[in-house]
Parts: sequence; C-alpha cells; structure tokens
Amino acid sequence: GESVGLHLPTLSVQEGDNSIINCAYSNSASDYFIWYKQESGKGPQFIIDIRSNMDKRQGQRVTVLLNKTVKHLSLQIAATQPGDSAVYFCAVFLYNQGGKLIFGQGTELSVKP
Amino acid sequence: NAGVMQNPRHLVRRRGQEARLRCSPMKGHSHVYWYRQLPEEGLKFMVYLQKENIIDESGMPKERFSAEFPKEGPSILRIQQVVRGDSAAYFCASSPQQGHSSTGNTIYFGEGSWLTVV
Repeated sequence: GESVGLHLPTLSVQEGDNSIINCAYSNSASDYFIWYKQESGKGPQFIIDIRSNMDKRQGQRVTVLLNKTVKHLSLQIAATQPGDSAVYFCAVFLYNQGGKLIFGQGTELSVKP
Repeated sequence: NAGVMQNPRHLVRRRGQEARLRCSPMKGHSHVYWYRQLPEEGLKFMVYLQKENIIDESGMPKERFSAEFPKEGPSILRIQQVVRGDSAAYFCASSPQQGHSSTGNTIYFGEGSWLTVV
C-alpha cells in the first residue's frame, strides 16, 4: 500500500516570504506526484506535478522538489501572498494498484499581511 | 473547456433517504474517480471508474454505496439509506487516461457535493 504524510498540519508565514510545505510517502514504487491547493468550500485545485524521473519542476511561483532516496516531496511557494492561504495536499499516484491518488492529510497555510 | 462538473453542490437528506451525486467529467476524459472528505481531513479514495466499468472500488463501503459511469451521461455515486456518518464532501475527479504528467493529462477535481444528513 501507500501512506502519505505531511510534516506539519499548519504553517504560518509573513506575506512576501517563501513557504515550504513538506510531504513524505512510503512506497518506493510511487512514480507520479501531485500538489493540490484547496480553499474553504472548494475542490482541490491542481498546482503542479512531477514524475519520479525528475527531481525538480518549476511553475509560476511554485517549485516541487522530489527526493526519492528518502521518499520526500516538498512544495515551495515564492513571495507568498494572502491569496495563497489554503490547505495544501500532496498526492501520490499508484499505477500498480489500479491507478488512484492517495492523499496526505494536508497542511494549512496562513499568510500574515 | 468546462471543468469537472458536480451536482448538486449541496444536498440535505433525512436519515434513511437516498442520495444521488452526479459528476460530468471534463470533455475528452473517460476516467472518473470519487473521493470523500470529512471535516478537517484529507481526501479518501472511494472508487475509480471508466466508461461502463468499475476499475477499483477498494475504498467503497461494502453496503449502501454504489457507483456507475454509463456509456452516456454522468457518473453517479449513490448512497442508500443515508446515516449521519455519511455527511461529508464528495469530490469527483477525471483524467483522459490513467493520470500521468504529460501536459494536461493529469487528474482534475470538481468543486464537490456537500451532503448533510439530518
């Protein structure tokens, strides 16, 4: 199976600072990872994804880092803004188990103005 | 291109009634996933369907819950004889094939259906 855990349930940062949200997974066969952002009362919104043949991928203000050796994933948000306040989930895709996403518990990011 | 559409957004049912939640995947997507989210928790996988086939239902409760994705029309998650513990947000997601990281070929979620059982 697979278990996915985030290191901190809450994270508070100052507006303009960088945010780092961490995630650990258990199954070394996992090969596709996605970060989602969920605002209150809404569905998970795709942010960025990465495959296991990469160790870094960048988007607009976001970077995902993958360390397969220690089975660790992180999401970095540059110049955090109040609109970034939300719950962030990492999700691991399991091809070898019929194809489904396993979600972590989520980290709630609060941005202080 | 419309996203994943779910309805109803909010549904109130009395204990013992039936709840039907609908999901129309994104255009061109033939894979549908249902997830349940309890307050303050992450999303729990329920079922994965392709057109007319259930691929993985390992997360579905053994009783009262069923899902389908017919050849025509939306995917339906059906909960019979609802109980208070069924109160949750139910999310549908879709992908064009098994999600992978080619541009655009990932798994997108709808805005959810919030079920309240009174």
